[in-house]
Amino acid sequence: GENVEQHPSTLSVQEGDSAVIKCTYSDSASNYFPWYKQELGKRPQLIIDIRSNVGEKKDQRIAVTLNKTAKHFSLHITETQPEDSAVYFCAAYTNQFYFGTGTSLTVIP
Amino acid sequence: GAVVSQHPSWVICKSGTSVKIECRSLDFQATTMFWYRQFPKQSLMLMATSNEGSKATYEQGVEKDKFLINHASLTLSTLTVTSAHPEDSSFYICSAGSGVIDYTQYFGPGTRLTVL
Repeated sequence: GENVEQHPSTLSVQEGDSAVIKCTYSDSASNYFPWYKQELGKRPQLIIDIRSNVGEKKDQRIAVTLNKTAKHFSLHITETQPEDSAVYFCAAYTNQFYFGTGTSLTVIP
Repeated sequence: GAVVSQHPSWVICKSGTSVKIECRSLDFQATTMFWYRQFPKQSLMLMATSNEGSKATYEQGVEKDKFLINHASLTLSTLTVTSAHPEDSSFYICSAGSGVIDYTQYFGPGTRLTVL
């Protein structure tokens, strides 16, 4: 089955700096790649997603890039704010969702 | 956006009892719902895929007789933890999508189960 790896597991950045989280996947059949933000004790919230026929997608301060050849995709957050602090999960979908191990992002004011 | 609810949000039970958790899609129909378990500071672990009108598909290592799943309608799936033990204490989250083509998943708020 699919194997999704996520790095780094923890990330601290100064407010206003950029944060990048990377995921790799193993199954070339995966065709949908969402990113979720989960605050402590709350449900994961979809923040951005990308389909396999697209290389990049941007939504205000958040962007995702996908390299199908290398089988990796990345989340980019620019101009980080303290409220961006949370755990972020990537996922890859074939016939089910396979989640990365999560990245705990801390934005230092 | 689409809303998925879960009930209860928190349950404490005695060892040996059974607990039922409900997952509802409030404003859309969901042919498929997913049940996840999440340990503190860890990722979501898929337990089973719940299909309306048919048997659930369980992931390897998940006991189907212990975690009973029923997807009786297009808006409701239930997870029953039978004969719960302390090691079953965890955060259980469901998710649902609104269609086969739309991969977008909407998560429920989760249910925190504590077994004494």
